[in-house]
Amino acid sequence: AQSVTQLDSQVPVFEEAPVELRCNYSSSVSVYLFWYVQYPNQGLQLLLKYLSGSTLVKGINGFEAEFNKSQTSFHLRKPSVHISDTAEYFCAVSALDTNAGKSTFGDGTTLTVKP
Amino acid sequence: EAGVAQSPRYKIIEKRQSVAFWCNPISGHATLYWYQQILGQGPKLLIQFQNNGVVDDSQLPKDRFSAERLKGVDSTLKIQPAKLEDSAVYLCASSLSASRTNEQFFGPGTRLTVL
Repeated sequence: AQSVTQLDSQVPVFEEAPVELRCNYSSSVSVYLFWYVQYPNQGLQLLLKYLSGSTLVKGINGFEAEFNKSQTSFHLRKPSVHISDTAEYFCAVSALDTNAGKSTFGDGTTLTVKP
Repeated sequence: EAGVAQSPRYKIIEKRQSVAFWCNPISGHATLYWYQQILGQGPKLLIQFQNNGVVDDSQLPKDRFSAERLKGVDSTLKIQPAKLEDSAVYLCASSLSASRTNEQFFGPGTRLTVL
């Protein structure tokens, strides 16, 4: 079975500052990795995904994430955040030995961008 | 392209009452998911359909929860009878197929409060 740990439940930052949201995973087999964003009263929206190839993945809204297999991490970064980035962020993993399409989600990180 | 539709958006019921949620996936999406998202936690998969067949319902509390996807399009999730611990947001998602590489598109969710 796989699991996901988001190391910070809340991350407050000032506008235009850089941010990193940390995600570690555990799996005995290869995985696909995802980051989703959830704005208040909305469903989840895919930010980016790692399937294979380059370990640095670029997503929407200026976000990027780096897959580190040795450290089993997939941290999300943005060099300069905006007020509009305030939301809940979820890391998810899909292991290759499970039911296709099934993802396990972390408990989320609340990013609050302050002016 | 229209997104995933869910109704109602909010529901308040007394414990031991019944409740039903409805989901209309994106047109042409064969795979449909129901997730339960308890406050402060990530989404947990309850059931996954491929067309009108069940792929995974291992985490569905079958003594009180049921779901169906007649004709492989719309889906209904029912809770009967509800318990206090069922208070959560119920998210519906759909994807083109049950592939780990396919993006899941989420609806806005139904927020259930059980008193």
